[in-house]
Amino acid sequence: NAGVTQTPKFRILKIGQSMTLQCTQDMNHNYMYWYRQDPGMGLKLIYYSVGAGITDKGEVPNGYNVSRSTTEDFPLRLELAAPSQTSVYFCASSLDSPYLSEQYFGPGTRLTVT
Amino acid sequence: GEDVEQSLFLSVREGDSSVINCTYTDSSSTYLYWYKQEPGAGLQLLTYIFSNMDMKQDQRLTVLLNKKDKHLSLRIADTQTGDSAIYFCAETPSGGSYIPTFGRGTSLIVHP
Repeated sequence: NAGVTQTPKFRILKIGQSMTLQCTQDMNHNYMYWYRQDPGMGLKLIYYSVGAGITDKGEVPNGYNVSRSTTEDFPLRLELAAPSQTSVYFCASSLDSPYLSEQYFGPGTRLTVT
Repeated sequence: GEDVEQSLFLSVREGDSSVINCTYTDSSSTYLYWYKQEPGAGLQLLTYIFSNMDMKQDQRLTVLLNKKDKHLSLRIADTQTGDSAIYFCAETPSGGSYIPTFGRGTSLIVHP
C-alpha cells in the first residue's frame, strides 16, 4: 500500500490564481481530512469527509472547497489564492471515526502565495 | 474552541531522557495522542492513551496523564539522534465529530 499520497509536493502561486491539491488513499478508508499547518502552529482542520459524497467544514474552511466523488480521492480547491493561504497542507485518512481509528497522514504540500 | 498547549523547544543530550509536556482544556477529552513529525514528512502516530488511564508504557516511551490537572507528558528514555523531530500532542473530544485538536508541536533536538 502506498498509504496517503499528495501532489504536488511544492507549489508557488500568484495572488488570485487557482489550484487543486490532490490527495489519494489506497487503504479503503472512509474518513478523509485536510489540514493546514502554519509555521510554529498546530494543525488546523479545513474540511473533512466521512464517506464518498459527504463533506463538512472544519475550523478554517474559508477560501477552500472540497469534493469526494470516490472513496480514494479528496481534492482540495483554492479558487482565489491569497497570501494568507501560504502554508503546508496535509491530507489524512482514517478507516472510521478518529475516535475509533488511527489517522494516517500524507507527506504534505508546501504552498507559497506571492 | 478547545486549546492544547505545548512548549516549542526541548534540547537534550543523546542518552538522556526527554520529557515533553502538554496541557489541554477540554475536560471531556477521551483519547490523547502523541504524534511525531520528521523533517519534510507528515505526522505519524506515536502512541495514545485513553482518558481513564494514568500511565502507558511502550518500549522507550512512557505517557503520563494527570486528568485532574489536564496535563499529559511523553517521556522518551535513552534519547537518540533519530528521535529529533517535532512532537505534537492532540486530544479527541467526547462528542461531535471526534476530530482531534492539535497543539503547536515541540521541537526536540538531540545533540551528541
